[in-house]
Amino acid sequence: AQSVTQLDSQVPVFEEAPVELRCNYSSSVSVYLFWYVQYPNQGLQLLLKYLSGSTLVESINGFEAEFNKSQTSFHLRKPSVHISDTAEYFCAVSRTNRDDKIIFGKGTRLHILP
Amino acid sequence: DTGVSQDPRHKITKRGQNVTFRCDPISEHNRLYWYRQTLGQGPEFLTYFQNEAQLEKSRLLSDRFSAERPKGSFSTLEIQRTEQGDSAMYLCASSANWDSAFFGQGTRLTVV
Repeated sequence: AQSVTQLDSQVPVFEEAPVELRCNYSSSVSVYLFWYVQYPNQGLQLLLKYLSGSTLVESINGFEAEFNKSQTSFHLRKPSVHISDTAEYFCAVSRTNRDDKIIFGKGTRLHILP
Repeated sequence: DTGVSQDPRHKITKRGQNVTFRCDPISEHNRLYWYRQTLGQGPEFLTYFQNEAQLEKSRLLSDRFSAERPKGSFSTLEIQRTEQGDSAMYLCASSANWDSAFFGQGTRLTVV
């Protein structure tokens, strides 16, 4: 079965500083990878996804993630964070060889310091 | 389209009572998922439907839990004889394709 590990439960970072949220996955078959974001008092929203092709994927609000098959990682990065990025971020995986559910990590809370 | 809608948003119930939650997916989305989320955890998969067919149930879903999706539109999740450990946020999501699941705001259940 596939699984997702988010190593950091909380990440504090100063405004305008860069940030990396780490995600590692485990699967015996090929996977699709996702990052979801949950802003305070809101539902989960898809931030970006890797399906195939270029290993670097970007979101519309400046985040990017790179699929690294050899390291089984899909870390999320942003070069300069804003106070509005305060949220919980969830990495998720699903298998490609069948119609499958999406499995989530435990989440990383991004705390932006003024 | 207003997105995935869940009702109620909050539910407080006494231990031992039955509760039912409803999820209205985005229209024409053929897949519907139920997840449970507790504090400090990510969403845990419970079950999902392709149209009206229930394709998979997690081992987390004990015999007290049942989900239906009649006619492949809205879905209900029922919990019988609720226990305090059932207290959580219950999330519903839908997708037209497996790769883009859209989530509702969730139903927060508190069992007292």
